[in-house]
Amino acid sequence: EAQVTQNPRYLITVTGKKLTVTCSQNMNHEYMSWYRQDPGLGLRQIYYSMNVEVTDKGDVPEGYKVSRKEKRNFPLILESPSPNQTSLYFCASQRAGLGSYEQYFGPGTRLTVT
Amino acid sequence: LAKTTQPISMDSYEGQEVNITCSHNNIATNDYITWYQQFPSQGPRFIIQGYKTKVTNEVASLFIPADRKSSTLSLPRVSLSDTAVYYCLVGDSLGRYSTLTFGKGTMLLVSP
Repeated sequence: EAQVTQNPRYLITVTGKKLTVTCSQNMNHEYMSWYRQDPGLGLRQIYYSMNVEVTDKGDVPEGYKVSRKEKRNFPLILESPSPNQTSLYFCASQRAGLGSYEQYFGPGTRLTVT
Repeated sequence: LAKTTQPISMDSYEGQEVNITCSHNNIATNDYITWYQQFPSQGPRFIIQGYKTKVTNEVASLFIPADRKSSTLSLPRVSLSDTAVYYCLVGDSLGRYSTLTFGKGTMLLVSP
């Protein structure tokens, strides 16, 4: 089954404790992306990657890092989480090609930073 | 970056047709129009995309006038399970890739 998986689904942590949210897709998609969703603000893109070893900032990259060492994986790293990073996070992937806008989203990771 | 404007919310009843209109005055020549659906605490799901005129699939229809400055998503005979947020997006091109910018969407509430 074609899917994007994220782990963990729920995470409660404390300020400053480094964490990683994993994302993996099995569709051989080149493009992957991370979003955060907050009430009243919609979905905002954090980082995206066009292929292995190619990443770039989205609209809200501050406080986040990503890496793309393998095509299927795109982990999101919070080196020193803060309470304002409490949010619902989604990973997505998409095949390459102009005119293709069908992104596949993961189930989401609900992060709480206290 | 073409921005979109859509109503914040809409209400409907089961069995009715729902039309959600989106405005995108600055759409570029190569941009496509895409609609996504999102249920609470789930990731958005692709519904339909189009470039001009009309596109129809098993879920919805998308109407795009000749000037492409707006589009209308049409959901036939909605049910309670169609209650969700609907996003209208205009794609941006980055080389070989097309990226999307999500706005706040339209919250559709379907009542019995």
